[in-house]
Amino acid sequence: DQQVKQNSPSLSVQEGRISILNCDYTNSMFDYFLWYKKYPAEGPTFLISISSIKDKNEDGRFTVFLNKSAKHLSLHIVPSQPGDSAVYFCAASTWRGNKLVFGAGTILRVKS
Amino acid sequence: KAGVTQTPRYLIKTRGQQVTLSCSPISGHRSVSWYQQTPGQGLQFLFEYFSETQRNKGNFPGRFSGRQFSNSRSEMNVSTLELGDSALYLCASSFPSGTRTNTGELFFGEGSRLTVL
Repeated sequence: DQQVKQNSPSLSVQEGRISILNCDYTNSMFDYFLWYKKYPAEGPTFLISISSIKDKNEDGRFTVFLNKSAKHLSLHIVPSQPGDSAVYFCAASTWRGNKLVFGAGTILRVKS
Repeated sequence: KAGVTQTPRYLIKTRGQQVTLSCSPISGHRSVSWYQQTPGQGLQFLFEYFSETQRNKGNFPGRFSGRQFSNSRSEMNVSTLELGDSALYLCASSFPSGTRTNTGELFFGEGSRLTVL
């Protein structure tokens, strides 16, 4: 039972354009959502998060949008850079708990 | 400050053997969580430890176990290895769940890549 789904295994974007990564969840108890980025041979690193009381959180080139009614969140990267090429994981938890439920990941390739 | 350290980074075992993986959290972090990453499955939660006690457990068989020491360092053990246990095992540290300092962000190590032949 996948509670967090990333339906796009991969995404290819031109440098300078917007990258949009999507994530859907099924558990309405989730109230905290995070995005992690992972390069090969490295552990995942935290990118950005959003609480369920918000619908948008912005940090530099990265913006996360949350649509609670649709149980959907997305990560926007503008402008995309070649260094953004990595695997992006969406994750969810209850009350900032340390048991995160991860999606399967989306491979982002930014072409220069 | 030093990050999360996991040892060994790579190891190869055969079916039926057992393996112990080690994790040293970031200084000051008292919660340690373990995740298994396999291709196409994302990261699957194994367990979380705080103050030498298991606080949360994922849906893995009893062959997977762990412990935490008084200095917050943690180990996980997998007994009677199966081919399907081949994966990247990631350790993450953080402040304890529900504490004011906990932002929900986990700090991951580079992982221990286990290959079972």
